[in-house]
Amino acid sequence: QQQVKQSPQSLIVQKGGISIINCAYENTAFDYFPWYQQFPGKGPALLIAIRPDVSEKKEGRFTISFNKSAKQFSLHIMDSQPGDSATYFCAASFDRGSTLGRLYFGRGTQLTVWP
Amino acid sequence: DSGVTQTPKHLITATGQRVTLRCSPRSGDLSVYWYQQSLDQGLQFLIQYYNGEERAKGNILERFSAQQFPDLHSELNLSSLELGDSALYFCASGALGLNTEAFFGQGTRLTVV
Repeated sequence: QQQVKQSPQSLIVQKGGISIINCAYENTAFDYFPWYQQFPGKGPALLIAIRPDVSEKKEGRFTISFNKSAKQFSLHIMDSQPGDSATYFCAASFDRGSTLGRLYFGRGTQLTVWP
Repeated sequence: DSGVTQTPKHLITATGQRVTLRCSPRSGDLSVYWYQQSLDQGLQFLIQYYNGEERAKGNILERFSAQQFPDLHSELNLSSLELGDSALYFCASGALGLNTEAFFGQGTRLTVV
């Protein structure tokens, strides 16, 4: 059972455009929502993360929007660049208990930014 | 560089064999997580160790086992390998606490032929 659902599976955006990736989760006990970026041949690397007590977090060109009532969160990449071409994973985690730090990942979105 | 070291980078082995994947966590991190990445299953959590003790178990097959040693490095043992075990295996390390960021290694690509 996929606890975090991610869409779209792939995304093609023109340079300078906005990339939007959406995720939905089931378990309301999740309280940490990171996004990871993965380049070919590399491991996933943390891009940006949010906790459910805020609705938006921005770091440079990357913004997470969080909708607690809808159990959804999304990643917006403004002014997308060819160097942003990678696979993006949303994830969720419990910040307590025995599963602390264990990440439930979405299936990933392959982003291609055309120059 | 995440500071997490995994060896080997690539491994090719035959069905029925046993392999050991090694992970050295970031300096100071007590937690080690193992993940499997495959095309059909995505990134799946296998198991977590914290300071030498098993902390959480995910979708890990009985043919697979792991341990964390006193120097905090960890090994993932995969036995009776099947074609379907071919995947990327990632190790991540992190600290318990409010900051649950996990730092991933570059992975070991296992090919079972």
